[in-house]
Amino acid sequence: DGGITQSPKYLFRKEGQNVTLSCEQNLNHDAMYWYRQDPGQGLRLIYYSQIVNDFQKGDIAEGYSVSREKKESFPLTVTSAQKNPTAFYLCASSSRGGVNKETQYFGPGTRLLVL
Amino acid sequence: LAKTTQPISMDSYEGQEVNITCSHNNIATNDYITWYQQFPSQGPRFIIQGYKTKVTNEVASLFIPADRKSSTLSLPRVSLSDTAVYYCLVGPEAAGNKLTFGGGTRVLVKP
Repeated sequence: DGGITQSPKYLFRKEGQNVTLSCEQNLNHDAMYWYRQDPGQGLRLIYYSQIVNDFQKGDIAEGYSVSREKKESFPLTVTSAQKNPTAFYLCASSSRGGVNKETQYFGPGTRLLVL
Repeated sequence: LAKTTQPISMDSYEGQEVNITCSHNNIATNDYITWYQQFPSQGPRFIIQGYKTKVTNEVASLFIPADRKSSTLSLPRVSLSDTAVYYCLVGPEAAGNKLTFGGGTRVLVKP
């Protein structure tokens, strides 16, 4: 059963703590993405990766870090530098059907809460 | 950068057709138009994608005029379960290979 998995579903962070959100895909997609969604708002891009061992900052990368050591995995670390991390985090992957034709497939999301 | 503009919200009733129009005046020649649906606390789900004229699948239809500066997502005979946020996206950007999600349109289907 192909798709994207994210874990955990809920995550609690203490002050000053780094936490890592997992994202795995078995769709054989080259590109992967992390988005943040605040209540009642749209999605904002944090980081994206088009190929293994390469990634680029999105619109709100400050306070976050990523790695892309394997094609299937794109973990996101929320560092202590991110002062307002409470949000719904979504991971996505995509295949390119041609120039500028792209469909993204999303995971179920991780809700991060600060204690 | 192709930016999109769509209504913030729309109300409808069960059994009616819902049409959501998205403006994208700066669409690039090679850009595709893609619509996603998102339910609360879930990731967005691909609905339909098109380049020009009309595209139809089992869920929706997408109408794109010749100038491609707008597009209309049509949901036929909506049910309560179609209550969701619908996002219109254009691109991705040729240089960054990333999509930009706007605020979307909140569709509320009433009984």
